Amino acid sequence: DGGITQSPKYLFRKEGQNVTLSCEQNLNHDAMYWYRQDPGQGLRLIYYSQIVNDFQKGDIAEGYSVSREKKESFPLTVTSAQKNPTAFYLCASSRAPAGGYTFGSGTRLTVV
Amino acid sequence: QKEVEQDPGPLSVPEGAIVSLNCTYSNSAFQYFMWYRQYSRKGPELLMYTYSSGNKEDGRFTAQVDKSSKYISLFIRDSQPSDSATYLCAMSFDNYGQNFVFGPGTRLSVLP
Repeated sequence: DGGITQSPKYLFRKEGQNVTLSCEQNLNHDAMYWYRQDPGQGLRLIYYSQIVNDFQKGDIAEGYSVSREKKESFPLTVTSAQKNPTAFYLCASSRAPAGGYTFGSGTRLTVV
Repeated sequence: QKEVEQDPGPLSVPEGAIVSLNCTYSNSAFQYFMWYRQYSRKGPELLMYTYSSGNKEDGRFTAQVDKSSKYISLFIRDSQPSDSATYLCAMSFDNYGQNFVFGPGTRLSVLP
């Protein structure tokens, strides 16, 4: 079945540590996105990529980095510069133009 | 004023009730409207996707857009306990995912 796989489901980060969240899709979608979800707030866009080897900052890119070396993969690194990283992170993909997203099941990141 | 607003709930209804979920927005340029359902600790899934004004029906779900009032609704008929989830609205002025704006979601509980 086609879909998006995010891993790990739960991740714990120590202060000053970088962590990488994985996102893989087999839907042959060109566009991929990373969102952050916090209680009481709408999804906020971190980074997006419309094509391999190209990506753009979203509304809250500070403290995050991404790469898009393969069409299927769009990993997100949460760096130590992100001061409040505890959140639920969602990866999504779509055709471009979109017609709506397919989301992964999310990664819950907690700072310990 | 936030760009997209939703009553956060929780909204509790008895099984079999008709549920009305609503979003208001401020940007009159929005033309594409979506509803997503998100179960606890899962990624959102696309329920309805509509363009411009009017109604769209899919099974027990009806999406309604009133651009003159900047108001969209999702109606659920014959609600079931399995409909218990958070419902997110999203909208955009074009059909490119990086421009989607999400509401914070309404939590719905359907009681057996």
